[in-house]
Amino acid sequence: DAGVTQSPTHLIKTRGQQVTLRCSPISGHKSVSWYQQVLGQGPQFIFQYYEKEERGRGNFPDRFSARQFPNYSSELNVNALLLGDSALYLCASSTGAEAFFGQGTRLTVV
Amino acid sequence: EDQVTQSPEALRLQEGESSSLNCSYTVSGLRGLFWYRQDPGKGPEFLFTLYSAGEEKEKERLKATLTKKESFLHITAPKPEDSATYLCAVLLGADGLTFGKGTHLIIQP
Repeated sequence: DAGVTQSPTHLIKTRGQQVTLRCSPISGHKSVSWYQQVLGQGPQFIFQYYEKEERGRGNFPDRFSARQFPNYSSELNVNALLLGDSALYLCASSTGAEAFFGQGTRLTVV
Repeated sequence: EDQVTQSPEALRLQEGESSSLNCSYTVSGLRGLFWYRQDPGKGPEFLFTLYSAGEEKEKERLKATLTKKESFLHITAPKPEDSATYLCAVLLGADGLTFGKGTHLIIQP
């Protein structure tokens, strides 16, 4: 079975630009969460979606938004990129309490 | 404020030298404690879930235990391929997982 897949794997953006990251959950998983991980830190929770509805939001500015589609895939959007948004963005899917992570998208803002 | 603290930050062991990693938490309403392994540039790999004090889980050379205030990840006779960052996380409610900063483990041949 395929695990959580994320695209793209790497990308470079300029300050002020907008970016969209994509995630496909494990088949049968209806919940998707997004995390940001900066170097040397643990992942930090951004959003959780379940059945296309937002179920939780972390302490991130309104520049961050997300949505979940009928097939349970998800997108994370970040507007007006700042240098500090450079990080590994992780998507996790779950069917219960246990979350399974994808390989992440490495975003570099220059 | 809810907090998850992992220690040590880094640990270097010789192959075969057993040790333990610590995860202490100051949270209320714990719904589960999770251990993950993360290799450089990769996403975290799920290892264990613990739900109640006294619970233990084992997988190969790893054993995780849970008390009311902390969890330990015991590594028995480690091999170089066990080198990674080990992350601890707690689940409280709808706010996703709260992670510690991790323990960077190096196993030298």
